[in-house]
Amino acid sequence: KQEVTQIPAALSVPEGENLVLNCSFTDSAIYNLQWFRQDPGKGLTSLLLIQSSQREQTSGRLNASLDKSSGRSTLYIAASQPGDSATYLCAVFSGGYQKVTFGIGTKLQVIP
Amino acid sequence: KAGVTQTPRYLIKTRGQQVTLSCSPISGHRSVSWYQQTPGQGLQFLFEYFSETQRNKGNFPGRFSGRQFSNSRSEMNVSTLELGDSALYLCASSLADIQRRESRDSYNEQFFGPGTRLTVL
Repeated sequence: KQEVTQIPAALSVPEGENLVLNCSFTDSAIYNLQWFRQDPGKGLTSLLLIQSSQREQTSGRLNASLDKSSGRSTLYIAASQPGDSATYLCAVFSGGYQKVTFGIGTKLQVIP
Repeated sequence: KAGVTQTPRYLIKTRGQQVTLSCSPISGHRSVSWYQQTPGQGLQFLFEYFSETQRNKGNFPGRFSGRQFSNSRSEMNVSTLELGDSALYLCASSLADIQRRESRDSYNEQFFGPGTRLTVL
């Protein structure tokens, strides 16, 4: 059974700081891993998708890495801004009945 | 290009009733997936439809069902509502089905709608 864990559950940082969010999964036989952000009461916004054959993806100030062998992915946010405040979720796409497994998320607060 | 839309945005029902939620995917997307989000369980995968066929299913009881139409719009139905069904129901669309391994990045990327907030009293 695939299990996805996100650490930390909550994070508060001053504006301008670089930060790393972690996502770990138990079954390394994954197809893709996708990072999302969710604002309160809203749907999910896709940030980055990493296919199983890739090691990292970059979009603007965001960089996501994937290490399948160790069951880990990290989301790096450079020069954080108050607008980055949201809950960040990682989703693992794999076989079996679960198909898609989400972590509980990391709630990020960037303080001006 | 318009994003994923869901209707209604908010819904209040009582136990025992049934409910139908609607999702319109991004134009050109053939896959629609449904998720349930609750504070205690987080986001859980319900099922996925691709070209009018259910391709993948999560671990939910048979009270949860869905269908997809020829224009890729999808509906989700929950019968005999229980208090525990209160949740935010999200749908997501993508070009390819979630189990397909594609060489192009964008095929599997999921795009979510704003969700339908269901409250069961």
